[in-house]
Amino acid sequence: EVQLVQSRAEVKKPGESVKISCKGSGYSFSTHWIGWVRQKPGKGLEWMGIIYPDDSTTSGIRYSPSFEGQVTFSADKSIDSVYLQWSSLKASDTAIYYCGRLTGRSSTYYYYAMDVWGQGTTVTVSS
Amino acid sequence: DIVMTQSSDSLAVSLGGRATINCKSSQSLLYSSNNKNYLAWYQQRPGQPPKLLIYWASTRESGVPDRFNGSGSGTDFTLTISSLQAEDLAVYYCQQYYSAPFTFGPGTKLEIK
Repeated sequence: EVQLVQSRAEVKKPGESVKISCKGSGYSFSTHWIGWVRQKPGKGLEWMGIIYPDDSTTSGIRYSPSFEGQVTFSADKSIDSVYLQWSSLKASDTAIYYCGRLTGRSSTYYYYAMDVWGQGTTVTVSS
Repeated sequence: DIVMTQSSDSLAVSLGGRATINCKSSQSLLYSSNNKNYLAWYQQRPGQPPKLLIYWASTRESGVPDRFNGSGSGTDFTLTISSLQAEDLAVYYCQQYYSAPFTFGPGTKLEIK
């Protein structure tokens, strides 16, 4: 079964750091782009960006301008995982974060929908 | 950025009826070299992650009932759900993947009348 499994919920204080994960199984993980999507409480979906696990250097990462500089994407293809991290959280980062697999298989072309989604990781930031 | 709008925040339809959800993009999503519209539809049930229903504007994802149909081209798109069932209660989002950032519409909440 093709699936993405995300790490458990996090509760943090403003200014703290956190790194959440998304682990793939049932398919060739390194050859599909993975996207991150934010959903604030009671709100819609926001596209944060994508990462290509087989090349997680700058050429294999695309950030939405709204999130660039605020978060960092990374990957460890040896364990079929990608990560989303913050170095200094704010209360406004409180949300559910989803990872999703882009349907196409290409290192250079990423214009695809997301067909497999993780269950979501809730990040709560509160003093 | 491409701005995606959906014509209704919410929509109430009777069981067995038909729901029509409209989505509009601020620029064309039709790529002339391959004649594909870079538009997807997702369903998000309460407490669940999004689920892909339709991609390339009209291609149904594997396993999605044929009650769900996508249509449209260019800047105007429609998701039609026929023979509405209680399990269709959800929020429906359109998303463009023509140009990064791949923006979503604000969502349309489908309620059962």
